[in-house]
Amino acid sequence: EDQVTQSPEALRLQEGESSSLNCSYTVSGLRGLFWYRQDPGKGPEFLFTLYSAGEEKEKERLKATLTKKESFLHITAPKPEDSATYLCAVQGSNDYKLSFGAGTTVTVRA
Amino acid sequence: DTAVSQTPKYLVTQMGNDKSIKCEQNLGHDTMYWYKQDSKKFLKIMFSYNNKELIINETVPNRFSPKSPDKAHLNLHINSLELGDSAVYFCASSQDVSNQPQHFGDGTRLSIL
Repeated sequence: EDQVTQSPEALRLQEGESSSLNCSYTVSGLRGLFWYRQDPGKGPEFLFTLYSAGEEKEKERLKATLTKKESFLHITAPKPEDSATYLCAVQGSNDYKLSFGAGTTVTVRA
Repeated sequence: DTAVSQTPKYLVTQMGNDKSIKCEQNLGHDTMYWYKQDSKKFLKIMFSYNNKELIINETVPNRFSPKSPDKAHLNLHINSLELGDSAVYFCASSQDVSNQPQHFGDGTRLSIL
């Protein structure tokens, strides 16, 4: 069964203090790795899809990278509005379901 | 326009009752999903339909029954509600089953008294 482990569980940052979130995964044949952002009381909001090792995607202050065993979400010079829970999910070749990690809750203080 | 909409947003009911949650997407997607997010915020797939055909059916009590009247709608009916059913239920949709990002609704918060 596909497995996703995210670390740390929680991350408190000062505004402007860059950091990285980790998503380690085991999957039988990766179809795709997905990053989502979830705000309190809302559904997950899609950020990135990564398909193969070495791939990178960027959006504003966020950059996602992928290796064969893990993905990183780098947050550069974060702002308070970047505070959210960031979820990682994988889809393997055995079936079509997404397996989610438990998330990393990021709090950015002004 | 809301892409994936769920109703109701909140559902408070007694143990043993039967309730339904409705989901509609206006993205023209072929695939829809139901997820359960428990108190620890862990998202777990329950069901998925592709072109109205059930393709994912995880280990879910048979008190839960999904119904897809057309590609744009996926409803979830729950019989004989139990305390452990309290959670947030999310509907999602994607263009098709593979490699495509899923777009989520804002959830239905189900509380069992």
